[in-house]
Amino acid sequence: QKEVEQNSGPLSVPEGAIASLNCTYSDRGSQSFFWYRQYSGKSPELIMSIYSNGDKEDGRFTAQLNKASQYVSLLIRDSQPSDSATYLCAVGRLAAGNKLTFGGGTRVLVKP
Amino acid sequence: SAVISQKPSRDICQRGTSLTIQCQVDSQVTMMFWYRQQPGQSLTLIATANQGSEATYESGFVIDKFPISRPNLTFSTLTVSNMSPEDSSIYLCSVQMDSEAFFGQGTRLTVV
Repeated sequence: QKEVEQNSGPLSVPEGAIASLNCTYSDRGSQSFFWYRQYSGKSPELIMSIYSNGDKEDGRFTAQLNKASQYVSLLIRDSQPSDSATYLCAVGRLAAGNKLTFGGGTRVLVKP
Repeated sequence: SAVISQKPSRDICQRGTSLTIQCQVDSQVTMMFWYRQQPGQSLTLIATANQGSEATYESGFVIDKFPISRPNLTFSTLTVSNMSPEDSSIYLCSVQMDSEAFFGQGTRLTVV
């Protein structure tokens, strides 16, 4: 079992719709959770961080964390073609120097 | 956030040679991280570099193949030694600020 799992996609979403991305992790001691966006040929860019159970909203993005279920998700509202990218879920544990473990990424395609 | 300058941005190298990648940060950081991203894959941590001590390597990565220097709190280098085509990847330098990780623009290495 991979430590951090994501559906590789592609997730095809019509413009203006909601894109829903999921991520599960195996380490129950994980304390920090991140979503990164990576455009082809570019380095990852931090979108959201979340540390406690519940929802966190930032603009069109909402991260949801459920530690009991070891599950973190990202919602992208009003999806735009510019949101087409690979979204990486990353999980960290402070006791391990907060080294991050990345999921395989979900490719999102927003179609006009 | 941090501004991370990484160079070279890309290189094509002959097998058997070595390449040193440089990473400069605009502020002092305790730990710097080196990742590898193979084609179509997610990020894999190579090692963590602390100033004034030996780098800590992850399973599957060894110092002879990936020597790292960390001479001060704003700079690090990663050398990919005795390269083979399997080393063709993107190599990324990363730092953490308030537990959030930020990345350099990456070095795209092709070994022929």
